[in-house]
Amino acid sequence: AQSVTQLGSHVSVSEGALVLLRCNYSSSVPPYLFWYVQYPNQGLQLLLKYTSAATLVKGINGFEAEFKKSETSFHLTKPSAHMSDAAEYFCAVSEDTGANNLFFGTGTRLTVIP
Amino acid sequence: GAGVSQTPSNKVTEKGKYVELRCDPISGHTALYWYRQSLGQGPEFLIYFQGTGAADDSGLPNDRFFAVRPEGSVSTLKIQRTERGDSAVYLCASSLKGPYNEQFFGPGTRLTVL
Repeated sequence: AQSVTQLGSHVSVSEGALVLLRCNYSSSVPPYLFWYVQYPNQGLQLLLKYTSAATLVKGINGFEAEFKKSETSFHLTKPSAHMSDAAEYFCAVSEDTGANNLFFGTGTRLTVIP
Repeated sequence: GAGVSQTPSNKVTEKGKYVELRCDPISGHTALYWYRQSLGQGPEFLIYFQGTGAADDSGLPNDRFFAVRPEGSVSTLKIQRTERGDSAVYLCASSLKGPYNEQFFGPGTRLTVL
């Protein structure tokens, strides 16, 4: 069975500072991993995904994530936070079992302080 | 092109009533998913359709919940004898077939059971 743990339900950073949002996964088979962002009153939007190609994945809006099998982690980073990055971020895992549904973490709310 | 649409955007009903929530996926997407997002939680998988058939309904909480997709496009999630605990945002997503394909999410239907 697969699951995702996101450490820190709330993260605050200053504008221009490094953003680090943590995600650890549990999966019995090689996983597919995703980061989604949810802006207020909007639907979930894909930031990036890992599908067993390069372990360092680059996404939209300057975000990237690194798949580390030894640590079962897929942390999301951005070198310099922007005010527009304030949102809820969800890590999710999927397995190639046929259904392909996503298992989401509980989310991390990012606040950017001017 | 048009994204995933869901109607209604908000639904308020009384305990014990029947409700239907509609999802219109992106044209050409054979996979369709329903998720439920409770306050402060990540989306939780309910059911997955591949074409017209429900390929995996293991996430439906009980037999009061049912979903159909008769023509392989629009889907309807049906909830009988609603309970206050059913209050949540119901999300629909669609994708091309395959676990690594991006799921595109609709804006959701916020269901409130009084």
